Amino acid sequence: DTAVSQTPKYLVTQMGNDKSIKCEQNLGHDTMYWYKQDSKKFLKIMFSYNNKELIINETVPNRFSPKSPDKAHLNLHINSLELGDSAVYFCASSLGYSNQPQHFGDGTRLSIL
Amino acid sequence: AQSVTQPDIHITVSEGASLELRCNYSYGATPYLFWYVQSPGQGLQLLLKYFSGDTLVQGIKGFEAEFKRSQSSFNLRKPSVHWSDAAEYFCAVRSNQGGKLIFGQGTELSVKP
Repeated sequence: DTAVSQTPKYLVTQMGNDKSIKCEQNLGHDTMYWYKQDSKKFLKIMFSYNNKELIINETVPNRFSPKSPDKAHLNLHINSLELGDSAVYFCASSLGYSNQPQHFGDGTRLSIL
Repeated sequence: AQSVTQPDIHITVSEGASLELRCNYSYGATPYLFWYVQSPGQGLQLLLKYFSGDTLVQGIKGFEAEFKRSQSSFNLRKPSVHWSDAAEYFCAVRSNQGGKLIFGQGTELSVKP
């Protein structure tokens, strides 16, 4: 039983294209996150949603648009992809956003040609 | 500003030897601290967490960590390392801004036979 699942696992595309990454969790959590891991493995928050409401937008370019249709899903759509968007994107979820640990998906490796 | 520092980018230990990975944090109040492990091509798995109470916390896979407020540290330890412990280890503090995790730079652990 996969707790936090992301699709696709790998995404290779051309600069300028638009792509989406999907995330679903079956843990009954109400808070979901997107993190970006760069080539040096540094992890940084991008967005978080609590009960479908945006609570963190960490100065991410507006080419990135998260969408949360319900508490169990948080998708990430990226317009006009740039070379610098190449990274591994991790989805995570937690119960609330105070002291409960976050559970991570396996990541989506995005490569821009 | 809230931050996490992992001073060691890469550590190599012999199988069976003891391990200590360092983590220092900067946080105004009592921090919520976490250690995660990332195996190649995988997501982040929670090893252990500290919220309050006993400053020595036990985690999965035989890991433990000690919270030392006076040193602003939360070092991860294991008495005897196994080859399967080779991975990237991340220390993180939970921010009071929307619950995002602030990660350290990571420490890559190699285990030699």
